[in-house]
Amino acid sequence: DAGVIQSPRHEVTEMGQEVTLRCKPISGHNSLFWYRQTMMRGLELLIYFNNNVPIDDSGMPEDRFSAKMPNASFSTLKIQPSEPRDSAVYFCASSFSPGYTFGSGTRLTVV
Amino acid sequence: QKEVEQDPGPLSVPEGAIVSLNCTYSNSAFQYFMWYRQYSRKGPELLMYTYSSGNKEDGRFTAQVDKSSKYISLFIRDSQPSDSATYLCAMSDASSNTGKLIFGQGTTLQVKP
Repeated sequence: DAGVIQSPRHEVTEMGQEVTLRCKPISGHNSLFWYRQTMMRGLELLIYFNNNVPIDDSGMPEDRFSAKMPNASFSTLKIQPSEPRDSAVYFCASSFSPGYTFGSGTRLTVV
Repeated sequence: QKEVEQDPGPLSVPEGAIVSLNCTYSNSAFQYFMWYRQYSRKGPELLMYTYSSGNKEDGRFTAQVDKSSKYISLFIRDSQPSDSATYLCAMSDASSNTGKLIFGQGTTLQVKP
């Protein structure tokens, strides 16, 4: 199994631009999680899905953030418009039972 | 107060030392306890997984859970430079069938040769 696959690995964008992060979970895992990691705040849960249905999006910081999971093998996290304070590493993780498998993350820099 | 508290360190030890990493938590409903290891510029990887109280050993690593004190520990024996990483505790309650985890801040460990 290739594990959780995230793309792109790095993204540099200008303030105000739309950013789309992508995730392919492990086949058979029924839960998918989006996290953001910064030095100051650590790992923050943004949103998670169970069986492709959003369960809890209370961690999404603002309406500028949105996430979708159109099918069991794909999810996106979109930021529109992006701001410098969105700069962080964004992780996707999938799970079949307690315990996640994380992707390698997308390092986002908004200038 | 955060649900899970973890001293961010950094913690620096000589090679061969015994390392103790700890977390405290406030939610008595937590039943699943995990430790993740994260190398620089990598995603966290599951290291140890414990259900409810007790100890679990895996090679040089031992995880302990004391639910009465709401305190969990990870011990690393004969620490190696390759153990240098950030260690994150994580936990969830048994009612969460989606497996939602609450993470600690992470402790950065450096093992010096």
